Amino acid sequence: EPEVTQTPSHQVTQMGQEVILRCVPISNHLYFYWYRQILGQKVEFLVSFYNNEISEKSEIFDDQFSVERPDGSNFTLKIRSTKLEDSAMYFCASSGGGGGTGELFFGEGSRLTVL
Amino acid sequence: AQSVTQPDIHITVSEGASLELRCNYSYGATPYLFWYVQSPGQGLQLLLKYFSGDTLVQGIKGFEAEFKRSQSSFNLRKPSVHWSDAAEYFCAVGAGGFKTIFGAGTRLFVKA
Repeated sequence: EPEVTQTPSHQVTQMGQEVILRCVPISNHLYFYWYRQILGQKVEFLVSFYNNEISEKSEIFDDQFSVERPDGSNFTLKIRSTKLEDSAMYFCASSGGGGGTGELFFGEGSRLTVL
Repeated sequence: AQSVTQPDIHITVSEGASLELRCNYSYGATPYLFWYVQSPGQGLQLLLKYFSGDTLVQGIKGFEAEFKRSQSSFNLRKPSVHWSDAAEYFCAVGAGGFKTIFGAGTRLFVKA
């Protein structure tokens, strides 16, 4: 069964460092997303990506964040200068249908710890 | 603004007992509604979804949910809970645009 894969599963970094989280969405999906979940809190929408551009982003997704689809398979989330409050589980998701109408397929997440 | 409320932070039920997890949403139009389950250390998996039509929808693992427009609710039910159902459950609404909004989650504990 096709699945979304994420790397790394866990990353520890120093405050101020750049971090890149990687995702391989399901191959025939067209819509890609990043969500984050701070420990014990709700799953929060960060950004959606379609047709090689950001289609929607939340207020959390500020200038420190960027996304890219550098080739036909990978979808990355970059945090330029990490802060302590960026510590969270980051989930990549993809869907075949657009927007809030389609089922999201989630990866197992990348846990980011900022020290 | 669109929102999802799950009033119960955690629920404990005995194995074999019935389960109902509550979800209320706020959305101006007809919503697309989802329930996802998250086992420890895992991503989220779709249990079921409602787009239109029959207001009682069946999902995987024996779960069902009922859409009640008058109450803005989409409660999840299961007639007999198994120990393997212990997990966190998220209600979500497809809010148009390109995002899905999640509730805060309800953690289910199952006791023997």
